[in-house]
Amino acid sequence: EAQVTQNPRYLITVTGKKLTVTCSQNMNHEYMSWYRQDPGLGLRQIYYSMNVEVTDKGDVPEGYKVSRKEKRNFPLILESPSPNQTSLYFCASTLSGTGGNGYTFGSGTRLTVV
Amino acid sequence: KNEVEQSPQNLTAQEGEFITINCSYSVGISALHWLQQHPGGGIVSLFMLSSGKKKHGRLIATINIQEKHSSLHITASHPRDSAVYICAVKTPLGQNFVFGPGTRLSVLP
Repeated sequence: EAQVTQNPRYLITVTGKKLTVTCSQNMNHEYMSWYRQDPGLGLRQIYYSMNVEVTDKGDVPEGYKVSRKEKRNFPLILESPSPNQTSLYFCASTLSGTGGNGYTFGSGTRLTVV
Repeated sequence: KNEVEQSPQNLTAQEGEFITINCSYSVGISALHWLQQHPGGGIVSLFMLSSGKKKHGRLIATINIQEKHSSLHITASHPRDSAVYICAVKTPLGQNFVFGPGTRLSVLP
């Protein structure tokens, strides 16, 4: 089944403890991206990747890192999480960032930083 | 002023009604994306548009580039259409999206 898999679905962590949210797609998509969703602020893009080893900042990249060493994986890294990073996170992919294809979203990761 | 606005913010309809959700934007765009977010939180990509009109089942999306406006129509609405519908625009020079605030639709049986 064609899908974007995010893990974990739920995570509660403490301030400052490094964490990684994984994202993997099995559709050979070139473009992958990360978003966060907050009440009253809607969806906002964190980082995106046009292809392997090509990443760029979205609108809210502060406090996050990403890497794209292989086409299928695009992990989101929080080196020192803070409570303002408590949010619902989505990973998505599409065939090409310059094309008009639809996007496939992961199921979301609900992160709570205490 | 937000770059992407949607109306209405909330919408309640009876099953079978024809529904229209509007999206207006203030920036130049290369494409516009309609998303559906289910009550459980999952997001589904409905349409990517850069001109004209697209149709999929009971859903129709239109865009008017000159007027900077897009509409999402749902014909013969059904309770399973209850969701938040989000419009997002991609700017010509960037590869990131700017999202609208969403329209919460409830379709009553």
